[in-house]
Amino acid sequence: GIQVEQSPPDLILQEGANSTLRCNFSDSVNNLQWFHQNPWGQLINLFYIPSGTKQNGRLSATTVATERYSLLYISSSQTTDSGVYFCAVSGYSTLTFGKGTMLLVSP
Amino acid sequence: GAVVSQHPSRVICKSGTSVKIECRSLDFQATTMFWYRQFPKQSLMLMATSNEGSKATYEQGVEKDKFLINHASLTLSTLTVTSAHPEDSSFYICSAIPIGISYNEQFFGPGTRLTVL
Repeated sequence: GIQVEQSPPDLILQEGANSTLRCNFSDSVNNLQWFHQNPWGQLINLFYIPSGTKQNGRLSATTVATERYSLLYISSSQTTDSGVYFCAVSGYSTLTFGKGTMLLVSP
Repeated sequence: GAVVSQHPSRVICKSGTSVKIECRSLDFQATTMFWYRQFPKQSLMLMATSNEGSKATYEQGVEKDKFLINHASLTLSTLTVTSAHPEDSSFYICSAIPIGISYNEQFFGPGTRLTVL
């Protein structure tokens, strides 16, 4: 099956800093999603982005499908951005999740 | 839009009992729903794909007789953990793909935390 690697595994930021999270995948995909899992466990959809670039407020994402990677950018980070960020991909319908990036934003 | 609910949010049960978890799509219909399990500080692992009106498809290593899945309608799938044991304690999360969209974005429920004593 498809392998998904996320980096870095952990990230500590000062409030206001910018960050880039990376997701590498091993095969062509027709679905790539970024999620934020909040402290209560809820997965929040950030982006559906199998290719191209999207922006939503302080967050943006870029997927370069031909090179099999995706990047999630967080600008002007806030303490509420803390949590685990997951990248998940699929070739058809079942998603394979990466191990996530644990982000801690300190005041 | 695309809201998925789960009930209960938290359950504690004794070893040997069965527990049913409901997953509902509140503002859309879904022929396909998914069940995941997440252990502490780990990623989500797919357990099974639930198809409305047909048998679920289980991932390798997941016991279908232990984790019973019923997808009785286009808005409801249930997961029953039968004869639960402490090792079944975990965070169970469902997701669904809305019918009628051209892409297969999944939307997730808030999860159910199961503790088996």
